[in-house]
Amino acid sequence: SQTIHQWPATLVQPVGSPLSLECTVEGTSNPNLYWYRQAAGRGLQLLFYSVGIGQISSEVPQNLSASRPQDRQFILSSKKLLLSDSGFYLCAWEEGMNYGYTFGSGTRLTVV
Amino acid sequence: AQTVTQSQPEMSVQEAETVTLSCTYDTSENNYYLFWYKQPPSRQMILVIRQEAYKQQNATENRFSVNFQKAAKSFSLKISDSQLGDTAMYFCAYSSGGGADGLTFGKGTHLIIQP
Repeated sequence: SQTIHQWPATLVQPVGSPLSLECTVEGTSNPNLYWYRQAAGRGLQLLFYSVGIGQISSEVPQNLSASRPQDRQFILSSKKLLLSDSGFYLCAWEEGMNYGYTFGSGTRLTVV
Repeated sequence: AQTVTQSQPEMSVQEAETVTLSCTYDTSENNYYLFWYKQPPSRQMILVIRQEAYKQQNATENRFSVNFQKAAKSFSLKISDSQLGDTAMYFCAYSSGGGADGLTFGKGTHLIIQP
């Protein structure tokens, strides 16, 4: 069966420190993968999407970057975190429109 | 660009009642997909129901059903016989077909089921 894993669940990082969030999927190949951010009291904002290894597109300018080193691995990174990077980050996998999108369990990031 | 609007920030109903959550969207596409996601306190996003725009029949999943009005660009969610476990944030979302477009979300409705 297909599953999606995301870690860590919670992270507290100081301003200016680096960031690495990881997402992996199982049970499928060549999935479309996405990173979303959810700020408090707001909906989800699409940050990055990837249709294949090394193929990354960004929806909004920001302090973050994404990489896809393997088919089923999607990484969200930052060299220097800002306070405004705090939020809830969700990785998602598109299974095709017959099934919609499946989300990971999310990472709550607090930048202090 | 597509937009999704949920005009009810919060709703509260008694257990076993029926509740309807509203959603409108804006698009110039003729074929697209609409979703309702549930986000409980755990913050896991759970797919509740999906609708394909080219299907006129409203989707139904057990106690959950939608009223899809394509001309009005409206996609409301009806929850029948509401249960305490239905308490959550509910997000309406739009996709033109996956790939680069991803999902466009509304800001959500916080639904509270009172015992």
